[in-house]
Amino acid sequence: GAVVSQHPSWVICKSGTSVKIECRSLDFQATTMFWYRQFPKQSLMLMATSNEGSKATYEQGVEKDKFLINHASLTLSTLTVTSAHPEDSSFYICSAPPLQGGTDTQYFGPGTRLTVL
Amino acid sequence: QKEVEQNSGPLSVPEGAIASLNCTYSDRGSQSFFWYRQYSGKSPELIMSIYSNGDKEDGRFTAQLNKASQYVSLLIRDSQPSDSATYLCAVNKFIQAGTALIFGKGTTLSVSS
Repeated sequence: GAVVSQHPSWVICKSGTSVKIECRSLDFQATTMFWYRQFPKQSLMLMATSNEGSKATYEQGVEKDKFLINHASLTLSTLTVTSAHPEDSSFYICSAPPLQGGTDTQYFGPGTRLTVL
Repeated sequence: QKEVEQNSGPLSVPEGAIASLNCTYSDRGSQSFFWYRQYSGKSPELIMSIYSNGDKEDGRFTAQLNKASQYVSLLIRDSQPSDSATYLCAVNKFIQAGTALIFGKGTTLSVSS
């Protein structure tokens, strides 16, 4: 099956620093990748849609200047949490629909646990 | 009204019993429906997808869809302790960039041996 990786798996950082999370599709290409955030005992909340070669689309309430998304190639999207604060501590998960599979088929990365001290 | 609603549970069933999980959604334009299983600290894994009204069976799992009632359910037969997890209902939503998934809060299932 299609594999999506994320790096790092977990990260601890100090308040005010920036953290970059990578999402890679390992054996397929994806023009679109999705970034979700999940707080404890909450559901996955769609943050933004990463589009290869163009600007990301952010959901209502998500600060685009705080969560920088770059979709540099058909297999890589990055999410940078800028000036992170403790309230940004969460589980960040990306997903990608393969070009051939249609957008209904989505493969999830293993997630990145971010803790901001 | 939330886009996708689930009873958070916990739902507790004995080993070997049938677990019934329910989900309602608000967008009548939704066309694709999914059930994901999520273990603590892990990302979701797809169990079932369903697109048409009626039942769809896959092993011990049966998904049911009723678009008129905007209702999706998942039945797990012969429940096993390894089925203990949070089950997320997801519905497709058309957004500017394409189609994304909107998730419910999830129902926690506990299967006791």
